[in-house]
Parts: sequence; structure tokens; C-alpha cells
Amino acid sequence: DQQVKQNSPSLSVQEGRISILNCDYTNSMFDYFLWYKKYPAEGPTFLISISSIKDKNEDGRFTVFLNKSAKHLSLHIVPSQPGDSAVYFCAETSNQFYFGTGTSLTVIP
Amino acid sequence: DAGITQSPRHKVTETGTPVTLRCHQTENHRYMYWYRQDPGHGLRLIHYSYGVKDTDKGEVSDGYSVSRSKTEDFLLTLESATSSQTSVYFCAISSTGRRSGNTIYFGEGSWLTVV
Repeated sequence: DQQVKQNSPSLSVQEGRISILNCDYTNSMFDYFLWYKKYPAEGPTFLISISSIKDKNEDGRFTVFLNKSAKHLSLHIVPSQPGDSAVYFCAETSNQFYFGTGTSLTVIP
Repeated sequence: DAGITQSPRHKVTETGTPVTLRCHQTENHRYMYWYRQDPGHGLRLIHYSYGVKDTDKGEVSDGYSVSRSKTEDFLLTLESATSSQTSVYFCAISSTGRRSGNTIYFGEGSWLTVV
């Protein structure tokens, strides 16, 4: 049973526009979330995190939003760049380190 | 880059043979993990360790065993490899373990093909 879900396997966005990647979770006890970025043939790398005591965390072009009542988090990338093309995983690390299935982002020049 | 080295990076093996993947870290982190990545399933936790000789199962542990005799090394063993274990395996480490505020860092992966 998938505890963390990314329902969009892929996303294509024009360079300069906003990319929005979504993640839903089922366990209301989860209280810390991370986003990872993965290029082909490399390991995932940490991108940004958020604690449940916040509803937003920003780091440069990357912003993560958390909606606890909806059990939903999203990653916004503004502006999107071709180098952002990668697979993005959301994860919770307050329990068993569940990861989502990933969303493949393609930024079109 | 986190000091994580996985070996071998690529391996092809036959069904029924034993396979051991090694993860070596230079960060002296207490916690180490093995994940597998498969299309449509994302990253799934196989086993993890919270100290020398202390290990526990993850969500997909069947067919796998682990050992940790030293802080820096975490071994994943497939006792009798099956084609369903063809996957990319990632080792990960963290200093703080399973609690809020934890961040885990991944190695570069080991590609295993079972024919």
C-alpha cells in the first residue's frame, strides 16, 4: 500500500514557466517531508524539505508547500530551466522513509 | 557529495546464484539503508541498520539479507537471485535516523541484472 503517492508519472514544461509537482500522503502522523531530484545513472540528491509546523519553505527557485488538512504537498520550480529535467521524488522521513513513485520532469528549451 | 561508495556498480548474474552488494561510507553515520528503484514503484526500502549488528526490515525485505559488522560497511545479500530482483540498488546514510528532521543521502547506485 503506497503511503506516499505521486500521481503524475511525467510532466513537461516550457523553459521559464512554473513547474508544479504534487505528492499526496495517507498517514496524518507524517510530519517531515523531503523532495529529492534524480538524474539518470546517478543517486537521488536532496533538494528541499518541510516540517509540518510550516506550510511553506523556499530555497531559491524551489518552494515546497504543505497542506496538512488535504495531506498534500507540492514542489514549485520557478522559473524552470532545462537543467531541472530529472525525476523528482517526494518522501517522508518521520516514520519509515516512504518515497513516492516519482515524477519525470522535462523542461523544454 | 556524501562519502558513499557502492560496489559493484554493475553486475550481471544468473538466477539462483548468491550476490552481495557492498556499501561503504566515510561519514561515520549511524544509520544506513538499502533501497531498490523500479519503474512504477519509485524507491522502496529493503533493509536498514541503526548501528553495528543492528538491522531491521523495510517494506520489501523478502529474498534479501543484510549485515553490518563495522560502522562504515553495510552489505546486502541476495541468497539466491531471481529475475524479479533485477533492479537498481541504492545505499543511503543518515546521522539522525528515523525521526523528524532527518535527511538521508544516497550513493550512486548498483545496477543488478539477473538472467
